[in-house]
Amino acid sequence: QKEVEQNSGPLSVPEGAIASLNCTYSDRGSQSFFWYRQYSGKSPELIMFIYSNGDKEDGRFTAQLNKASQYVSLLIRDSQPSDSATYLCAVNMNSGGGADGLTFGKGTHLIIQP
Amino acid sequence: SQTIHQWPATLVQPVGSPLSLECTVEGTSNPNLYWYRQAAGRGLQLLFYSVGIGQISSEVPQNLSASRPQDRQFILSSKKLLLSDSGFYLCAWSVGASGTQYFGPGTRLTVL
Repeated sequence: QKEVEQNSGPLSVPEGAIASLNCTYSDRGSQSFFWYRQYSGKSPELIMFIYSNGDKEDGRFTAQLNKASQYVSLLIRDSQPSDSATYLCAVNMNSGGGADGLTFGKGTHLIIQP
Repeated sequence: SQTIHQWPATLVQPVGSPLSLECTVEGTSNPNLYWYRQAAGRGLQLLFYSVGIGQISSEVPQNLSASRPQDRQFILSSKKLLLSDSGFYLCAWSVGASGTQYFGPGTRLTVL
């Protein structure tokens, strides 16, 4: 059973602090990892993707991947109230990459407190 | 730039009625297309994906079917809806082998 696990939250973070979101996955052969943000009642929007071990930064967002530990995380610096949303971790578990669908976690509900 | 459309945005249907949801993509050729369902309190579940016209892969056995009559058109259908078919239906597209998927606005289906 291919699985992606996330803490459902809610995770409450004060405005201006760093929010840290975590995700683990079951398939060691997974190659591609994605973070999506989903506001209530809306469709998911892509924040970042990461393929290689280490950190990848994009503005206030940093994705971290550790394939040995089967762990991927998302850091949000200088958190804003507009960052309040559900964050979905997704993994392409096709070891050859390609067009297969993604396996999603159930998401972490993040609340940024003003 | 690429755009993905879904319609209708909202749908309320009685149990046993048929269903047809449509998804179209603009601004790209030969996309991979996907249907997901997000039920209340549950994660996104992949239903179908397609790598080309007439090519459909099903992930979960159910009373739904999918078709791809044109390169940039993907249709989700059912002959008889069940209460358990209620949910938020999302179409997504990707290009190439990167796996990066982009979602449409979704259709919220309520089966009564």
